[in-house]
Amino acid sequence: GIQVEQSPPDLILQEGANSTLRCNFSDSVNNLQWFHQNPWGQLINLFYIPSGTKQNGRLSATTVATERYSLLYISSSQTTDSGVYFCAGEETSGSRLTFGEGTQLTVNP
Amino acid sequence: DADVTQTPRNRITKTGKRIMLECSQTKGHDRMYWYRQDPGLGLQLIYYSFDVKDINKGEISDGYSVSRQAQAKFSLSLESAIPNQTALYFCATSDFTVAYGYTFGSGTRLTVV
Repeated sequence: GIQVEQSPPDLILQEGANSTLRCNFSDSVNNLQWFHQNPWGQLINLFYIPSGTKQNGRLSATTVATERYSLLYISSSQTTDSGVYFCAGEETSGSRLTFGEGTQLTVNP
Repeated sequence: DADVTQTPRNRITKTGKRIMLECSQTKGHDRMYWYRQDPGLGLQLIYYSFDVKDINKGEISDGYSVSRQAQAKFSLSLESAIPNQTALYFCATSDFTVAYGYTFGSGTRLTVV
């Protein structure tokens, strides 16, 4: 079946620290995406990254599709980075997006 | 205006009541989705639609129904609400260009008492 697994489940940082979140996905999953859910519940699309590397400010993501994993890097973390980070992938048939269980990130001042 | 708009934003309803959640989008995407998020968990797919005449069940469709009234509108109904349907509900659209992926609405927080 489709599997999308994230680690770590929880992460606590001091402001200014860097972090790496990992997402492993099964063979039947493509078109990786990363989302941030803020403390108010809003879900924001961070990266659509089926392969390769993308950067947006302090955030960057890398997907190595041949090895079935994706990494989200957060540099110089800020308290506003707090929330839950989800990775999600599509079935190879392209019909649905399957989410991992998320990484709860807390950035303390 | 938001690309994907959900109404209402918050709703409290009683057990046994029928309730409709609405979603409209201005992105021009053909594909629309309804997801449910329980506290502390990821999102689960309820229903999805690839065009106006196409409706498909997701992982957790029991107790729900949908209607795709137009390319831009996709509504979710709870026929007879029960307390374990208390959750955060998201509507989403998708397009398969490299740049965009999925876009989610702001969510509807539903409480069934």
